[in-house]
Amino acid sequence: QSALTQPASVSGSPGQSITISCTGTSRDIGGYNYVSWYQQHPGKAPKLMIYEVSNRPSGVSNRFSGSKSGNTASLTISGLQAEDEADYYCNSYTSTTAWVFGGGTKLTVL
Amino acid sequence: EVQLVESGGGLVQPGGSLKLSCAASGFTFSDSVMHWVRQASGKGLEWVGRIRGRANSYATTYGASVKGSFTISRDDSKNTAYLQMNSLKTEDTAVYYCTRQAAGTSWFDPWGQGTLVTVSS
Repeated sequence: QSALTQPASVSGSPGQSITISCTGTSRDIGGYNYVSWYQQHPGKAPKLMIYEVSNRPSGVSNRFSGSKSGNTASLTISGLQAEDEADYYCNSYTSTTAWVFGGGTKLTVL
Repeated sequence: EVQLVESGGGLVQPGGSLKLSCAASGFTFSDSVMHWVRQASGKGLEWVGRIRGRANSYATTYGASVKGSFTISRDDSKNTAYLQMNSLKTEDTAVYYCTRQAAGTSWFDPWGQGTLVTVSS
């Protein structure tokens, strides 16, 4: 099972909005609403940011939002802040090998 | 507090074996699906495998790169999941995380702090 496709890096200035895409196939993202997003700061464990495409766990800022269209899911961060600088990973259930992650996207806040 | 703590990492020679543990607290372990995820240095997250609960006969599923070499098990009486790694290769060197998928959900939360496995001669 190949990893879901994410851009290697994105960047934005404080206060701006950015969107990270995550592209899969009809066997994963396109076939299920089981897409989640994780934030990982250097040397730390991943943290759940979005689940089931567009839901935010308690405690996660409403600046984070998720969506899906066809085989592509997206994570949008609005009002960028310095602490948002991190790696972001998408994840989806897949009919082939159960679960698959994206390759990860490094967000730089300029 | 919901918590996962991994242990058992270390240095092992190629071809060797290692068993990792993941101790859980603060939630109903027996109802949860437990996953292992690994991350090589400077690389992305790779799903390793999962074990379901008793209601699903402790069924296991593995990623293609570890199938046949790694085995996931659990002891619900000890609230602990395990990852037995055999025939280790240098490319298995990574930080190994355990994480929980609560019953009826499709996401991973929380995550442990990770344990480093280094396969080297």
